[in-house]
Amino acid sequence: KAGVTQTPRYLIKTRGQQVTLSCSPISGHRSVSWYQQTPGQGLQFLFEYFSETQRNKGNFPGRFSGRQFSNSRSEMNVSTLELGDSALYLCASSLAGQGQAGNTIYFGEGSWLTVV
Amino acid sequence: QQQVKQSPQSLIVQKGGISIINCAYENTAFDYFPWYQQFPGKGPALLIAIRPDVSEKKEGRFTISFNKSAKQFSLHIMDSQPGDSATYFCAASIGSSNTGKLIFGQGTTLQVKP
Repeated sequence: KAGVTQTPRYLIKTRGQQVTLSCSPISGHRSVSWYQQTPGQGLQFLFEYFSETQRNKGNFPGRFSGRQFSNSRSEMNVSTLELGDSALYLCASSLAGQGQAGNTIYFGEGSWLTVV
Repeated sequence: QQQVKQSPQSLIVQKGGISIINCAYENTAFDYFPWYQQFPGKGPALLIAIRPDVSEKKEGRFTISFNKSAKQFSLHIMDSQPGDSATYFCAASIGSSNTGKLIFGQGTTLQVKP
C-alpha cells in the first residue's frame, strides 16, 4: 500500500509569490491534515480536511489555505509568501471519522519550501 | 491549555542505555497520546501510542508510561541503539477517532553513542 505522497519535495520561491503543495493520502483515507515544521516552532497543525470540507483549523493567517478533492487528494496554498514561511510542510492522512476505533495518523515526507 | 511540553530538548545516551523523554500537558480533554520518531529528511512515523485508561504500554524496546493525575507521560527506550538516533515527538489529541489534529511537543533529539 502506497504511503502519503507529497509533491514537490523541494522548492524555492521569492517573497511575495504564492505556492501550491500537493498531497495524495493513503488509499481509503478521507482525512488529510497539513502541518508546518520549523526549527523554532516545531510541528504546528495548519488544517484538516475530511470529505472535501475543512474540519479543523490551526492558528495560521488567512494566507494559508487548502482544499480537498473528491478523490481525497489535497492541496495547500500559501499566498504572499514571507521569509518566515520557509519550512517543511507535512501532509498526513488517516481514517479519522470513518467509524474506526482508534486512529493512526500517517505522515508524508514533506515539501521543503524555501522563501528568498 | 493546548500545549504539550516536552523535555529534554536533546539527549545523549550510550549504546545499551535507557533513553527517557518526558511530556506534560494541561488539557484533560486529551484522550490519545502518540509518540512519533523522525529521521532527517523523513516525515514523522508513529512509534507507539497510549490512551489515558492505561498506565503503561510496551512494544518491544519502547514503553510509554502514563500518569493521568500528574498529566504527564514519558517514553522509555530500553537497550538504546545507534539506529535509534532521531528526533522524537510526543503529541496529544482530542477525540482521536474523529480528528487528524495533533498537538505536538517541541521534540527531543536523541543521539545514541556506540
